Amino acid sequence: EVQLVQSGAEVKKPGESLKISCKGSGYSFTSFWIGWVRQMPGKGLEWMGLIYPRDSDSTYMPSFQGHVTFSVDKSISTAYLQWDSLKASDTATYYCGRVRAGGGHLEYWGQGTLVTVSS
Amino acid sequence: EIVLTQSPGTLSLSPGERATLFCGASQSVKYSNLAWYQQKPGQAPRLLIDGASRRATGIPDRFSGSGSGTDFTLTITRLEPDDFAVYFCQQYGSSPWTFGQGTNLEIK
Repeated sequence: EVQLVQSGAEVKKPGESLKISCKGSGYSFTSFWIGWVRQMPGKGLEWMGLIYPRDSDSTYMPSFQGHVTFSVDKSISTAYLQWDSLKASDTATYYCGRVRAGGGHLEYWGQGTLVTVSS
Repeated sequence: EIVLTQSPGTLSLSPGERATLFCGASQSVKYSNLAWYQQKPGQAPRLLIDGASRRATGIPDRFSGSGSGTDFTLTITRLEPDDFAVYFCQQYGSSPWTFGQGTNLEIK
């Protein structure tokens, strides 16, 4: 069974750094792109970008380029989403998902990680 | 960037009725690369349809997708209580990939 399990909720202050994780299981982790999606409170979904675990090739959507960093650790089948300096506007739920082969949509989703940034 | 506009914003129906949700694109979606997702409160979205009309694994045939170019439709026949949720469309034909703002399907 394909599963993506994300790390737990975080509460941070503006300016702090953060790295959240997404662990894949039940499939060949290095063979599928991992995508990241943001959902701000009460709002819709926004594509952040994606990373290919085999070689860490990454694509960032324009709104997120330079604000976040994707990475992976193949040895533990885990993808990461990182911020160097959080802002209050980063408060949201972040989802990872497995991108369907040959497509650009998420066929499997993690449960989401709620990130709250508040002073 | 392709803007997806979903209508209506809220759809109020009763169990057993038929729901028709629309997703309009500001430009033609290449190869009909359009997906539909269902999201319930406090849960991650779930893929329903991709390629505009192909049901994802385990999705009942009460859900169907259609359309091409700039106009796409998700139809849910014989609504069940579990179907009341928010539905999003997403295009992946052109980068940046984009989502619609969602349609809230609520019980009347």
